[in-house]
Amino acid sequence: AQKVTQTQTSISVVEKTTVTMDCVYETRDSSYFLFWYKQTASGEIVFLIRQDSYKKENATVGHYSLNFQKPKSSIGLIITATQIEDSAVYFCAMREGGTGGYKVVFGSGTRLLVSP
Amino acid sequence: AQTIHQWPVAEIKAVGSPLSLGCTIKGKSSPNLYWYWQATGGTLQQLFYSITVGQVESVVQLNLSASRPKDDQFILSTEKLLLSHSGFYLCAWSQTSNERLFFGHGTKLSVL
Repeated sequence: AQKVTQTQTSISVVEKTTVTMDCVYETRDSSYFLFWYKQTASGEIVFLIRQDSYKKENATVGHYSLNFQKPKSSIGLIITATQIEDSAVYFCAMREGGTGGYKVVFGSGTRLLVSP
Repeated sequence: AQTIHQWPVAEIKAVGSPLSLGCTIKGKSSPNLYWYWQATGGTLQQLFYSITVGQVESVVQLNLSASRPKDDQFILSTEKLLLSHSGFYLCAWSQTSNERLFFGHGTKLSVL
């Protein structure tokens, strides 16, 4: 069964610095899709970035980028030039390929606090 | 543009009472639909998904049921609430089985 693990419960950084959040996953499928979302204080869940397992290049969107290490089953999220409004809970998620993709598994989340 | 609307925004219910939560997606034909539950400070636990009208698949058993009576509507319900049902319920949709999820704003449920 697929599994997603985020070991960092919370991280505190000073604004304008770079932060990395870890995520490791387990799957028997050769094709899978990895996502990062953030949940704001209001409960809203916002999609940030995705990585498809067959792509070698790390995805980048704005000040979010991924460190995809397939041999280690790892997909880290890197936020550069952090801002106060980046404070939120960040979730890593995985979908397997084919009909297995209807089950989307989330990690336990990492709370990020960005201070002035 | 597609929109997703969840109702109600919040509910306070008594143990043993019935519950019905709803979700409507506008602007997207035949979406894949999902229900998630989140305990306070917890992860997102998938409850159900639906690929088409009238068909719902259960992912975990939490004494809840779901139905999809229309292409754009997803309902979560139970006849008897438990204290453990308290939490945040989120509806989501996706275009395919490998795309991102679009989430609604959620329903906060307190069971007393």
